[in-house]
This record gives sequence, structure tokens and C-alpha cells, in this order.
Amino acid sequence: EDQVTQSPEALRLQEGESSSLNCSYTVSGLRGLFWYRQDPGKGPEFLFTLYSAGEEKEKERLKATLTKKESFLHITAPKPEDSATYLCAVLSYGGSQGNLIFGKGTKLSVKP
Amino acid sequence: ETGVTQSPTHLIKTRGQQVTLRCSSQSGHNTVSWYQQALGQGPQFIFQYYREEENGRGNFPPRFSGLQFPNYSSELNVNALELDDSALYLCASSLSGRARTDTQYFGPGTRLTVL
Repeated sequence: EDQVTQSPEALRLQEGESSSLNCSYTVSGLRGLFWYRQDPGKGPEFLFTLYSAGEEKEKERLKATLTKKESFLHITAPKPEDSATYLCAVLSYGGSQGNLIFGKGTKLSVKP
Repeated sequence: ETGVTQSPTHLIKTRGQQVTLRCSSQSGHNTVSWYQQALGQGPQFIFQYYREEENGRGNFPPRFSGLQFPNYSSELNVNALELDDSALYLCASSLSGRARTDTQYFGPGTRLTVL
């Protein structure tokens, strides 16, 4: 069964304190791994798509990496506006068409 | 470029009633997926529509049904509402076919409360 586990559940950082969020996955053939940011009561905002092990993508203070079993979202020198829940999702070749399997997310709080 | 829009923003219904939620896909996209997100959980896939037909479905009962229209907009219908149907309902659009992209872009969601 395809599964995504994110850790930690919650993370509190001081402004400027870099850290990483983890997304572990098991799928029957990875078609893509996706990172989203979600603010309270709003829809997920797309950040990155990764397709193969070794791939990296960057956007401002965020960098996503992918291995055969997990993905990391590295946050460098975070600011309070980076506070949000970060969701990881996978799309597998063995699953139902269009079925993104999500983790429960990591709630990030950045204090000034 | 127009993003994904959903209506209404909030909705309150009573148990046993029926509800229809609406979604307009991002310009240039032809595929719509629907998700249910309970508080503190990740979104769960309900189904996907492409070319006006359901082409993928998650573990949701038949009282969850949908439509896609020729302009690629979509509706989610839920019959015989239950208390556990209270959630944020998300619509996501993507592009299928020869120029397929797997990335799904989400709308702002509809908050459904069942009393």
C-alpha cells in the first residue's frame, strides 16, 4: 500500500535558524513527489515536483531533495512568513489515476 | 493566467441533506481532481475527471459523485450527508494528454459543516 510519513509533526524555529523537514514514502513505482505549503483554512500552494532520485529544486529559502525512500525540504534562514504547514505527496504508477497520497504535514512556526 | 476557483467558500448543512460544490479549473488545464481534508490531516483523494468522465477514484462511497463540463469546470455532489463529511473540500486542476503534467494546482477550498 502506498504510504507517506512526514516528520516532525511540528517544528518551532527562531528566525534565521535553518532546518529540514522529512518525507518518507513507500510506493509501487514513483511517478512524482510533490511539496505544498498550506496556510490555515486555505488550499495547498504548490512548491516543487521531483521525479527521480538525486533531483534537487530550489526556490528562495527552500530546497527540496529526493532519494529512493525519502525527500527533504531544507529551509535556510527562515522568516516568520515561512510559518505554515508543509505537505508532501506522492503519485504512483500503481495507484488510481490522479491519486495524490499525502502525508499529514509538518507544521512550521518561525518566531522573530 | 486564472487560478483554480471554488464556490461557495463556506457551507452549513444538516445531516441527510445533499450538497453541490463547484470548481473552475486553471486556464489551460483539462483535468480536475477532488480531495477531502479533515482537520489536522492531509487531503484524501475522492476522484478525478478528464474528458467529462471519472477516470480515477479513491475510497469514497457512491454518495460522492461528480461531473465535469465541456469547459472543464466540475461539480462535487454529496448525498445523504453525514456528520463525518464535515471537512475542507479541495479541487485541483492539472493537464492530461500529450502535454501531460502531473502537478496538481489547488483552489482555496470549500469548508463544509454538517450539523
